[in-house]
Amino acid sequence: DVKVTQSSRYLVKRTGEKVFLECVQDMDHENMFWYRQDPGLGLRLIYFSYDVKMKEKGDIPEGYSVSREKKERFSLILESASTNQTSMYLCASTLAATTGELFFGEGSRLTVL
Amino acid sequence: AQSVTQLGSHVSVSEGALVLLRCNYSSSVPPYLFWYVQYPNQGLQLLLKYTSAATLVKGINGFEAEFKKSETSFHLTKPSAHMSDAAEYFCAVSDQNTGGFKTIFGAGTRLFVKA
Repeated sequence: DVKVTQSSRYLVKRTGEKVFLECVQDMDHENMFWYRQDPGLGLRLIYFSYDVKMKEKGDIPEGYSVSREKKERFSLILESASTNQTSMYLCASTLAATTGELFFGEGSRLTVL
Repeated sequence: AQSVTQLGSHVSVSEGALVLLRCNYSSSVPPYLFWYVQYPNQGLQLLLKYTSAATLVKGINGFEAEFKKSETSFHLTKPSAHMSDAAEYFCAVSDQNTGGFKTIFGAGTRLFVKA
């Protein structure tokens, strides 16, 4: 069974802390994505990566960075967490050159106090 | 630019009633269209997708959707709602030229099913 695993389901952090959200997929997918989900706004793309060490900004990259050192792993980094980054974060992956069907992890709910 | 509009942030139906969730899209190129479902405290999973083959697409759990180019719509239906269908549903559009890179999601519709 294909799987996208997000390491932390629930996190509580303080303003100014550095936060790492980890995502691992076992499907050998080239493309990986980080989305942010907020009520009434749907999913918004933060960053995506189409290859190891490659990254592209999505629609809302401000305040975030990413790392992809291995094909199966894509990390989202909040350098200095702020309260307006309290949200649900969803990692997804897909094969290159396909219809674009996304496979999602279960999400990481981050609260910044 | 692509966009997706889901009509109604909340829809409530009785168990056994027809489910209709509306989605309209905008795309300057032939689109791929998707419906995803999200159960509480889980990620999204694919219900069904349109990829320019048959315009009536059947998905999991008895759901189906019809692509209507003239109306730029991709509404999701199920003949008879079940309590287990209560969830949030997202319509999404992707550009056939970019695969999953530029998938645009609607704001979501939360479905409530009354006993």
